[in-house]
Amino acid sequence: SQKIEQNSEALNIQEGKTATLTCNYTNYSPAYLQWYRQDPGRGPVFLLLIRENEKEKRKERLKVTFDTTLKQSLFHITASQPADSATYLCALNKGGSQGNLIFGKGTKLSVKP
Amino acid sequence: DTAVSQTPKYLVTQMGNDKSIKCEQNLGHDTMYWYKQDSKKFLKIMFSYNNKELIINETVPNRFSPKSPDKAHLNLHINSLELGDSAVYFCASRSSGAFEQYFGPGTRLTVT
Repeated sequence: SQKIEQNSEALNIQEGKTATLTCNYTNYSPAYLQWYRQDPGRGPVFLLLIRENEKEKRKERLKVTFDTTLKQSLFHITASQPADSATYLCALNKGGSQGNLIFGKGTKLSVKP
Repeated sequence: DTAVSQTPKYLVTQMGNDKSIKCEQNLGHDTMYWYKQDSKKFLKIMFSYNNKELIINETVPNRFSPKSPDKAHLNLHINSLELGDSAVYFCASRSSGAFEQYFGPGTRLTVT
């Protein structure tokens, strides 16, 4: 069965630096991969989606890459700010018509001023 | 506000009780989900449902049952609650034309 690994449980960086989060999967290449942000006591919020035929996607200070050979996605936040501190979840589609997702455990990012 | 809403926000109950959590979305979406997030923060899908099809994750005990009175609502009913059911439960929805999911604020269930 498909497994997702987000390598770091926690990542601490200095404000202004680029945060890079990793998501690896073990089995089939998903048709698409998504990244979500979750703040304490709240539900996940969708950030970006990248399809299997796309190498890179950008949205403001966010960038996602997808390497189906390495079975890996990287999520970058450039010019990080303390407000970017949150847990970031990687999710893959499980297949089927209802768009069911499998989530990674998440990486808790802390951006220090 | 357009959103996914859940009630209650917190639910504390005793083992053996039966309880329900309600979910409503006013986004016009046609697929809804229930997820469980345990103490280790692992988010796992329990059910997905649209007006034609219910898909149940095989690991979900049959004490859990989704009930959908209409397209905008998917409630979660839990019978004979157990200590291990303590978790945060999230409702989510999705439009059939898109892949991203919109989550509710969560219901923290504590079984004592």
